[in-house]
Amino acid sequence: AQSVSQHNHHVILSEAASLELGCNYSYGGTVNLFWYVQYPGQHLQLLLKYFSGDPLVKGIKGFEAEFIKSKFSFNLRKPSVQWSDTAEYFCAVRDGGSQGNLIFGKGTKLSVKP
Amino acid sequence: SQTIHQWPATLVQPVGSPLSLECTVEGTSNPNLYWYRQAAGRGLQLLFYSVGIGQISSEVPQNLSASRPQDRQFILSSKKLLLSDSGFYLCAWNAGKSTDTQYFGPGTRLTVL
Repeated sequence: AQSVSQHNHHVILSEAASLELGCNYSYGGTVNLFWYVQYPGQHLQLLLKYFSGDPLVKGIKGFEAEFIKSKFSFNLRKPSVQWSDTAEYFCAVRDGGSQGNLIFGKGTKLSVKP
Repeated sequence: SQTIHQWPATLVQPVGSPLSLECTVEGTSNPNLYWYRQAAGRGLQLLFYSVGIGQISSEVPQNLSASRPQDRQFILSSKKLLLSDSGFYLCAWNAGKSTDTQYFGPGTRLTVL
């Protein structure tokens, strides 16, 4: 069965620090990859996604993620975080060859200190 | 544009009582619909999904059930709630194509006492 691992449960950064959140998945075939974000008190919303093409994907609010097939990874990055980036971040994977359901990681809570 | 609604937003229920959570989607037809439970530190667990009216697939055996009486309505139910049913329940939809993103509702916070 597919699984998604997010290595950090809680990350605490100061504003302007760089961010990298790890995500690894177990499925060996074609995959669709997603990062979702849940700001305090708000809906879970899509940050960015990868289906095919350029493995470096740019999302909203200055976030990007790189798909590295050989490492089964899809790490999320942002060069300089802001206090408003405080949220919980979820990585998700889906078997790209079917209408398979999303498998989510356990989430990483990011706290940015002003 | 498409919107997804869930109600109630919060619910406190005694153990053994029934449950009915509702999710409706507007602005689309024949969506795939999903129920997830989100628990702190455990991510999102898919509970049920539906690709059409009356078609329900269960991912996790449990005390809950789901129904889809109309194309854009998805209901999560229980006959007798357990303490372990407490959590944050999210409904989501997508258009059913393999490249589609899932869009989530605002969620229902359920506390079973």
